[in-house]
Amino acid sequence: EPEVTQTPSHQVTQMGQEVILRCVPISNHLYFYWYRQILGQKVEFLVSFYNNEISEKSEIFDDQFSVERPDGSNFTLKIRSTKLEDSAMYFCASSPLGFVSGILQETQYFGPGTRLLVL
Amino acid sequence: RKEVEQDPGPFNVPEGATVAFNCTYSNSASQSFFWYRQDCRKEPKLLMSVYSSGNEDGRFTAQLNRASQYISLLIRDSKLSDSATYLCVVNGEGSQGNLIFGKGTKLSVKP
Repeated sequence: EPEVTQTPSHQVTQMGQEVILRCVPISNHLYFYWYRQILGQKVEFLVSFYNNEISEKSEIFDDQFSVERPDGSNFTLKIRSTKLEDSAMYFCASSPLGFVSGILQETQYFGPGTRLLVL
Repeated sequence: RKEVEQDPGPFNVPEGATVAFNCTYSNSASQSFFWYRQDCRKEPKLLMSVYSSGNEDGRFTAQLNRASQYISLLIRDSKLSDSATYLCVVNGEGSQGNLIFGKGTKLSVKP
């Protein structure tokens, strides 16, 4: 069964450093997402991406964050200058169709996540 | 702010028990509803979508009450492998798949 993959599984970085989290969505999917989950907290939406541009972003997704689909397979999340509070599990997800008239046509499939620790 | 609220639990039940989880959501415009399951330190995995008429998948039954903005999940004949955190999820305000997650209800099934 196809699945979303993410690398690295764990990342430790110093505050102020840049990190790039990588995701390979399921190959025929069109919509891509990043979520994060701070330890012990709920999963939070960061950004959605379709047709090579951001379609939606949350208030968490500030100027320190950016996303890119540099080639036909990878989808990356960059944090320019990490803060202690960026420590979390970051999940990538993909969906084949997304929403049509407000109704989700297909589910979102989540990758295994990257655990980011900022020291 | 749009929220999804769940009883955090934990629910500790013996094998074979029936257990019910409840969830309320604040956005009356939400159209899509799901239950996801999350094992410790793992990614969320879709358990089932929730439809207005209610739906069943084996031992799992989901119900939706739009008027009360209330979603439920019933697990019958619980197994040890059902031990996990159950996440109530609704779509957000946007049209591009923004999902809003509840914090989850932890279930522990004991032998």
